[in-house]
Amino acid sequence: GAVVSQHPSRVICKSGTSVKIECRSLDFQATTMFWYRQFPKKSLMLMATSNEGSKATYEQGVEKDKFLINHASLTLSTLTVTSAHPEDSSFYICSAPTSGVDTQYFGPGTRLTVL
Amino acid sequence: AQKVTQAQTEISVVEKEDVTLDCVYETRDTTYYLFWYKQPPSGELVFLIRRNSFDEQNEISGRYSWNFQKSTSSFNFTITASQVVDSAVYFCALTPAGSSASKIIFGSGTRLSIRP
Repeated sequence: GAVVSQHPSRVICKSGTSVKIECRSLDFQATTMFWYRQFPKKSLMLMATSNEGSKATYEQGVEKDKFLINHASLTLSTLTVTSAHPEDSSFYICSAPTSGVDTQYFGPGTRLTVL
Repeated sequence: AQKVTQAQTEISVVEKEDVTLDCVYETRDTTYYLFWYKQPPSGELVFLIRRNSFDEQNEISGRYSWNFQKSTSSFNFTITASQVVDSAVYFCALTPAGSSASKIIFGSGTRLSIRP
């Protein structure tokens, strides 16, 4: 199946700093990617839809100035958590659908811990 | 509105027992896809199956089987002769068909523990 990677897999940062998470489709192009957030022992909640060459679409309640998304190419989307605070600590997962196939492939996730 | 309900929050069984994970969904779409994903402790989501709403045939893959019943809007997952390695959180999910860029709606997940 298609492969989606995420980097870094784990990051610890101080409160107030910004953290960038990368999501790459390794063997296919993705005009759309999705970013999810998962709290411990909870389900995945869609944060935003990343669109190549245009602005991301954010779900209700997600602060777009807080979670900056850039889809710079057909294989890369980045999520930047700006001025991170402890409540931003979470597991962030991206996904990308392959063209013509209604199945999304998920990255391995990034565990963010804000001290 | 679309919704996926996994009523079983946690299940614990002894190894070699059979176990069924329930999934009930709601959608107004006439065509849609249903999925099951496995999330082991490492966190990565592992794709298990995709089922088109037009295809109500049950599917078996090794020790895994899925029962799709459109009449009751259910898509249950059974593990036969469970093993410790099956311990994970399992998510049922739904997405409209026809667009690969559609949002996936996840259920709340069922945490399955297989005891040796």
